[in-house]
Amino acid sequence: DTAVSQTPKYLVTQMGNDKSIKCEQNLGHDTMYWYKQDSKKFLKIMFSYNNKELIINETVPNRFSPKSPDKAHLNLHINSLELGDSAVYFCASSQGGARNYGYTFGSGTRLTVV
Amino acid sequence: DAKTTQPNSMESNEEEPVHLPCNHSTISGTDYIHWYRQLPSQGPEYVIHGLTSNVNNRMASLAIAEDRKSSTLILHRATLRDAAVYYCTGDTGRRALTFGSGTRLQVQP
Repeated sequence: DTAVSQTPKYLVTQMGNDKSIKCEQNLGHDTMYWYKQDSKKFLKIMFSYNNKELIINETVPNRFSPKSPDKAHLNLHINSLELGDSAVYFCASSQGGARNYGYTFGSGTRLTVV
Repeated sequence: DAKTTQPNSMESNEEEPVHLPCNHSTISGTDYIHWYRQLPSQGPEYVIHGLTSNVNNRMASLAIAEDRKSSTLILHRATLRDAAVYYCTGDTGRRALTFGSGTRLQVQP
């Protein structure tokens, strides 16, 4: 049973398209996150939801819109994709922040914009 | 957020202990210190975390300096499967964990 699962694993698309990445966790955690890892391997927080409520919204273009239909799911929709959006996107979850048990990450979605 | 500094890379031999250092001089008194690792083509994986005293789990040990400005992740017997990028980070409890560039650990057979 995969704890944090992301789909798709790979996504190749053309500039200007709109795409979505889905994330689901079966750990019963109340907080979920989206991270972006660029070509230099830096992991940057994008968004965080706690019990379906947006609690972190970093400086991310508004072409990126997260949606959390319930606390087990956090999706990321990207409009008008640009070349610079190419990266690996990781979903993560935790119970009440990292303080007690840390984060559990998914295996990532490699997005390539051509 | 606590700023962390780690060496870019380290090498170890298989079955030898590895000590991975991290400086976090700006950490506050209530920030937990976390370590994660990322194996090739995988998501980051939680390793260990602690506040003041040393911590042990099945994966590693965490030694935290008395002034909390630095910590060391200890892998007691490195294996080839431990080759990964290791990140240390501080948790403020208010925002998400932030990750630096980490230390790339190479393990030689």
